[in-house]
Amino acid sequence: AQSVTQLDSQVPVFEEAPVELRCNYSSSVSVYLFWYVQYPNQGLQLLLKYLSGSTLVKGINGFEAEFNKSQTSFHLRKPSVHISDTAEYFCAVRGTASKLTFGTGTRLQVTL
Amino acid sequence: EAGVAQSPRYKIIEKRQSVAFWCNPISGHATLYWYQQILGQGPKLLIQFQNNGVVDDSQLPKDRFSAERLKGVDSTLKIQPAKLEDSAVYLCASSRGGLAYGQETQYFGPGTRLLVL
Repeated sequence: AQSVTQLDSQVPVFEEAPVELRCNYSSSVSVYLFWYVQYPNQGLQLLLKYLSGSTLVKGINGFEAEFNKSQTSFHLRKPSVHISDTAEYFCAVRGTASKLTFGTGTRLQVTL
Repeated sequence: EAGVAQSPRYKIIEKRQSVAFWCNPISGHATLYWYQQILGQGPKLLIQFQNNGVVDDSQLPKDRFSAERLKGVDSTLKIQPAKLEDSAVYLCASSRGGLAYGQETQYFGPGTRLLVL
């Protein structure tokens, strides 16, 4: 079984500042890692995913994440955020034959 | 390409009543998922279909929840009778359903927000 921990429930940040949303996972097998974004009253949209290969993964809207196997982390970063990035962000993990397991989410609040 | 469609978007019912949600996945997607998202939590998988067969329903409360995907396309999720703790957003997602489905992107619908009074 796998699990995901998102250490911060809320992250306030000023517009144009950098941001990092933290995600740690636990699993006894190799996993695939995902970041999804959820805007108010909408479904989830994939930002990026790590399957294999390069540990630095680039996604949509200028986001990127780095897979760190030794620290079992998959933190999401953006060098300069915009007001429109205000949303809930979910980290998720999945084994090769298991279900997608989500973290509890991090609310990113971008202000002027 | 049309996205995942869900209806209704909102539903308010009294406890012990029944309710049904409908989902139409992206055309050609073989795998369909139903998730329950309680306020303040991440989505939790209720059931996964591969075409019209159930792959995983280990977290579906089968005494009150049921789901079907009879023709391998659209799907319905039913709750009967509803309890207060069923208040949540019910999300439907679909993916292509290839052999390496663990790697696939899941595409989510907008969800149905259920309030049980």
